[in-house]
Amino acid sequence: DAKTTQPPSMDCAEGRAANLPCNHSTISGNEYVYWYRQIHSQGPQYIIHGLKNNETNEMASLIITEDRKSSTLILPHATLRDTAVYYCIVRYSGTYKYIFGTGTRLKVLA
Amino acid sequence: ETGVTQTPRHLVMGMTNKKSLKCEQHLGHNAMYWYKQSAKKPLELMFVYNFKEQTENNSVPSRFSPECPNSSHLFLHLHTLQPEDSALYLCASSQGAGTSLLNEQFFGPGTRLTVL
Repeated sequence: DAKTTQPPSMDCAEGRAANLPCNHSTISGNEYVYWYRQIHSQGPQYIIHGLKNNETNEMASLIITEDRKSSTLILPHATLRDTAVYYCIVRYSGTYKYIFGTGTRLKVLA
Repeated sequence: ETGVTQTPRHLVMGMTNKKSLKCEQHLGHNAMYWYKQSAKKPLELMFVYNFKEQTENNSVPSRFSPECPNSSHLFLHLHTLQPEDSALYLCASSQGAGTSLLNEQFFGPGTRLTVL
C-alpha cells in the first residue's frame, strides 16, 4: 500500500502562506493525491486533489513534484479558521479506498 | 453543511445495549462509507457501499453491522460493544466508488460514541 508521511505539526502566522509538505515516495503512476482537513470535532473536509499537474482552487494550491514522490499544499493567506489537522491521502485510481495517515496539525497564530 | 447528516451526534451506551447510528446524504451520491476515528489514530475505513451493495468490509468485528436500504441512507447497528470501540464514527458519501469519476468524499459531522 502506498503511504504518506507528514510532519506532525506546524505553526503559521496569520496572513502568511502555509506550506504543508507530504511525502508519498511509494506512489504509483495512476494514484491520486488528495488533501483533506479536519477542524476540531468536525468531519474531514475535502480541499483539493491532483495526479501529475499542479492544481489550484478557491481554497488552496497543490504542487506535485515531477517524480510525484512528494507534494505541498499551499494555503496562500492563512487565517485563524484554517487551524486544523491536514491529511495528505493517497487514493488508488479506480478505487474508493483512501489511506489516511496521522496528518499535520496546523496552528495559525494571530 | 456538507449535505451529509448523522444522528445522533453523541451516544453513550453500555456493553449490553443495542443501538444504531444513522447517516443520510442529500447529494444524490451513489457511494457511502463508514469510518472510525479513535483518539490519536488515523481514520480507519470500515465499510463501503456502492449502489446499496457492500463492496468493502475492512475486517470489522461482527458487533458492527451496517445496513444500506437505499443510496441516501446508511446505518451502523451496534451490539455488545467494548469500551475500546469508543470513538468518533464518521459517515461519508461520494458520487461513485471504484470508478475514475471525480470522487471526493463528503463527510458528515460524526457520532461521538462512548461505550461504558
